[in-house]
Amino acid sequence: RKEVEQDPGPFNVPEGATVAFNCTYSNSASQSFFWYRQDCRKEPKLLMSVYSSGNEDGRFTAQLNRASQYISLLIRDSKLSDSATYLCVVNEGSNYQLIWGAGTKLIIKP
Amino acid sequence: EPEVTQTPSHQVTQMGQEVILRCVPISNHLYFYWYRQILGQKVEFLVSFYNNEISEKSEIFDDQFSVERPDGSNFTLKIRSTKLEDSAMYFCASSGTGRDGYTFGSGTRLTVV
Repeated sequence: RKEVEQDPGPFNVPEGATVAFNCTYSNSASQSFFWYRQDCRKEPKLLMSVYSSGNEDGRFTAQLNRASQYISLLIRDSKLSDSATYLCVVNEGSNYQLIWGAGTKLIIKP
Repeated sequence: EPEVTQTPSHQVTQMGQEVILRCVPISNHLYFYWYRQILGQKVEFLVSFYNNEISEKSEIFDDQFSVERPDGSNFTLKIRSTKLEDSAMYFCASSGTGRDGYTFGSGTRLTVV
């Protein structure tokens, strides 16, 4: 069974703190990995793709560990506007179907 | 920035009625998808569409569902006889290569009463 597992949270974090999410996936043949952000009752929006070498976009850093089949997202200097649900998404590769985690809810408090 | 547009944003329908949800994907994208999300639950895959045919569908996508790309720009999802449990947010998405991240539309909230 195809699975992507995330801690549902919520993570309650003070503004300015660093927060990290992990996600595990079951299919070792998975080819592409993404973090999406979803605000309440809105569509998911691509936050960043995750590459084997790790990648950084401003305050956000994503890492992929293929051997252990997990993906991480680090948010530094968190802002109130970072409050959202963060979805870990894996592309199986066969028909490019995305497998979604249930999301981790992040609440940034002033 | 190119967008995927969906109409209507909200549709209320009576159980047993047919609904058509419309999507205009990004113009140079080749892969199209429908997903749904029941309130408070995971995003669920319904169907993928490439080269004018369904490439994959989930077990949710039964005979009540169909997709069409009638004119080369619109991509529609039809539910023939809606059930209460079809109430959800329906997202259309498109992708250039299928391997990169998808762009989602803002969704159609379907309420079946």
